[in-house]
Amino acid sequence: DTEVTQTPKHLVMGMTNKKSLKCEQHMGHRAMYWYKQKAKKPPELMFVYSYEKLSINESVPSRFSPECPNSSLLNLHLHALQPEDSALYLCASSQEWAGGSYEQYFGPGTRLTVT
Amino acid sequence: AQKITQTQPGMFVQEKEAVTLDCTYDTSDQSYGLFWYKQPSSGEMIFLIYQGSYDEQNATEGRYSLNFQKARKSANLVISASQLGDSAMYFCAMREAQSNNNDMRFGAGTRLTVKP
Repeated sequence: DTEVTQTPKHLVMGMTNKKSLKCEQHMGHRAMYWYKQKAKKPPELMFVYSYEKLSINESVPSRFSPECPNSSLLNLHLHALQPEDSALYLCASSQEWAGGSYEQYFGPGTRLTVT
Repeated sequence: AQKITQTQPGMFVQEKEAVTLDCTYDTSDQSYGLFWYKQPSSGEMIFLIYQGSYDEQNATEGRYSLNFQKARKSANLVISASQLGDSAMYFCAMREAQSNNNDMRFGAGTRLTVKP
């Protein structure tokens, strides 16, 4: 099973709302990622979790708050977002890098619109 | 600095023909991995093929092959016998061992359109 699931598929929220994006994988991967992708652009890395610990935060604004409750789940908590935060949010997972190949498996994404 | 360069914003190919999507990369690391992903309009990123920096043979996966030229730092994707379902955005990506983490950096992408 190489599936990464994400919920919800679509989300519309106001600038004062609080919402959460969820991601789940059951491949035993110990690295999980959040990416943001604007239209016609490549994915931009936001956060990396390695063994449930945050290992990379790519200078993401504090209105985005990641959480990794266990090795299979990854959440992204959203609060006081701006319209420019509207994008496709992709979750991915992979085995830990060990100098070899470990491709990332992506979920279908959440299309977020901030009004 | 841009680590992955895809110089073709858009490409067209006739159905059943082969097409090459270009990718060049920049790294001083000896150990790295190169990946190609396909992203249809639905949004999901689909892993296609991988090439390791120490692999001596070009990777192949079904209709996909990777033309790896290490000295030129290029990792072009070749799709043979194109199908209408191949129409999508294609991203080249790289992971470096020296980065000491798990992140992957993507090129700008190439939009492939397969014509019937």
